Amino acid sequence: AQSVTQLDSQVPVFEEAPVELRCNYSSSVSVYLFWYVQYPNQGLQLLLKYLSGSTLVESINGFEAEFNKSQTSFHLRKPSVHISDTAEYFCAVIRSGGSYIPTFGRGTSLIVHP
Amino acid sequence: DGGITQSPKYLFRKEGQNVTLSCEQNLNHDAMYWYRQDPGQGLRLIYYSQIVNDFQKGDIAEGYSVSREKKESFPLTVTSAQKNPTAFYLCASSGGAKNIQYFGAGTRLSVL
Repeated sequence: AQSVTQLDSQVPVFEEAPVELRCNYSSSVSVYLFWYVQYPNQGLQLLLKYLSGSTLVESINGFEAEFNKSQTSFHLRKPSVHISDTAEYFCAVIRSGGSYIPTFGRGTSLIVHP
Repeated sequence: DGGITQSPKYLFRKEGQNVTLSCEQNLNHDAMYWYRQDPGQGLRLIYYSQIVNDFQKGDIAEGYSVSREKKESFPLTVTSAQKNPTAFYLCASSGGAKNIQYFGAGTRLSVL
């Protein structure tokens, strides 16, 4: 079975500062990795995904994440955050060749201050 | 537009009452899921269905029931046996080779 750990429950940051949201997973087999974003009282939206190929994946709004197999990590980064990035961020992992049901981390609340 | 529609957005349950949350998708996805979200606990899987007329219990199925009579629809009933139903409920569907999940906007259930 796989598990996902998001080490920080809350990350406060000032506008225009860089941010990193950490995600580590445990799995003995190949995985697919995802970051979802949830704005207040809304569902989860897929932010970016790693399925195969390049280990660096990017979203359309400036976020990027890097798959590091040796460290079993998939940290989310943005060089300069905006107030509108304030949201809950969830990391998820699917074990390839398995049931394809994702395991979610507990979420990290990104709070961007002006 | 293709997507997942959950209704109602807000729902109130009286003690001893069963309530049903609706989830409809027009993405032609085979699989559908129900999650419960509580503050600080992430998402917990209630039930999932990978094909019509078949469904499996997730991690916290007690006090809930589902049906999957149509590919597009996966309603969740919160029964009176669920003693702590107050939460945000999320429906998702997935399809394709990698089974990526897409979510509805959620239903917030409260107890009167």
